[in-house]
Amino acid sequence: DTEVTQTPKHLVMGMTNKKSLKCEQHMGHRAMYWYKQKAKKPPELMFVYSYEKLSINESVPSRFSPECPNSSLLNLHLHALQPEDSALYLCASSQDVHSEAGYTFGSGTRLTVV
Amino acid sequence: AQSVTQLGSHVSVSEGALVLLRCNYSSSVPPYLFWYVQYPNQGLQLLLKYTSAATLVKGINGFEAEFKKSETSFHLTKPSAHMSDAAEYFCAVSRMDSSYKLIFGSGTRLLVRP
Repeated sequence: DTEVTQTPKHLVMGMTNKKSLKCEQHMGHRAMYWYKQKAKKPPELMFVYSYEKLSINESVPSRFSPECPNSSLLNLHLHALQPEDSALYLCASSQDVHSEAGYTFGSGTRLTVV
Repeated sequence: AQSVTQLGSHVSVSEGALVLLRCNYSSSVPPYLFWYVQYPNQGLQLLLKYTSAATLVKGINGFEAEFKKSETSFHLTKPSAHMSDAAEYFCAVSRMDSSYKLIFGSGTRLLVRP
């Protein structure tokens, strides 16, 4: 298995809702990442997990809460989002944070906040 | 801090013509450099990478890139464009030290004319 699987592919949520994005990989990678991508912009790093521990939080608002239950799974819990949080959320993984092999990206979750 | 600059937000070529997408990097220590491609509504796919081995790097789909330290460049080329090459291309850099974050350039949209 050489893929990063993200679910759901599309999500519409209200500003008072609580939802979660899920990311899964079975490549044995020990580093996992969340990126946010607005239209016509490059991906922006949000969080880095290394060996299931949060190692980087790029000053992301607390309405985004990451979780890494095990080495294969990465979740992003969403609560009280704003319309400007609408974006493509990309999960990625790599062998470790210093991997020269590059990252493997999932196809993303398209989030719309109404 | 490391960064990458992609010259030209849009590049248009005719089918069969040479593709040249430009990327210049800024890094105080030797970097890892990557090119990723993103098709509409999809995640990012790794095209090729430079990690201090050969300076001419061959990737997938007939793309290649040359690392030129004197010019701090890592331009992406393909001898003959195909319609299926139309996509967004991102250059990215990470460093071989504790600052391992993958940082993306602003992206270049490649248009291929029939």
